[in-house]
Amino acid sequence: KAGVTQTPRYLIKTRGQQVTLSCSPISGHRSVSWYQQTPGQGLQFLFEYFSETQRNKGNFPGRFSGRQFSNSRSEMNVSTLELGDSALYLCASSYGPPTEAFFGQGTRLTVV
Amino acid sequence: QQQVKQSPQSLIVQKGGISIINCAYENTAFDYFPWYQQFPGKGPALLIAIRPDVSEKKEGRFTISFNKSAKQFSLHIMDSQPGDSATYFCAARVYGGSQGNLIFGKGTKLSVKP
Repeated sequence: KAGVTQTPRYLIKTRGQQVTLSCSPISGHRSVSWYQQTPGQGLQFLFEYFSETQRNKGNFPGRFSGRQFSNSRSEMNVSTLELGDSALYLCASSYGPPTEAFFGQGTRLTVV
Repeated sequence: QQQVKQSPQSLIVQKGGISIINCAYENTAFDYFPWYQQFPGKGPALLIAIRPDVSEKKEGRFTISFNKSAKQFSLHIMDSQPGDSATYFCAARVYGGSQGNLIFGKGTKLSVKP
């Protein structure tokens, strides 16, 4: 059974640009959550989608957005990139919100 | 109240020794406590999880001890091996809630010396 797939694995962007990250959950999983991981702040929750609906959102500015498609695949978008957005962005999938979450390998975003 | 406090930040253990990582929480609504293991360049991998209706859960060399009254839980790694060297995160969530986001501790970097 394939795991959570995140693409791309690495990205380098310039300040002010926007970026879209993609996540394909484990087959059968309908819930996708996104987390930002930095050395200083650790793992912080961005948002959670279930059946194409955003069910929960963390404390991040509106520049961070996401969506989920009917096949449960999810994308997150960051607009007007700042240096501080450099981080590992992780996607986790589960059958539903209260069940075990499995993470992908992440997308390493570097903003220069 | 949403925080999970994890200690120590780093830990060095000799091969064959016991590694112990501790976490504490405040929110009594939390009722699902997983531990994740993360190797460099990889995403966190679910290691073991516990719910507060039991005080201990063991899977192989990994054991979670849970103290509901103290609002603390810990991970014990018995017979620690160099391959266990990784960063470990505790987390908490309201298991039965509609919101599934995990609240993570800051992580513990474990180094097991041969």
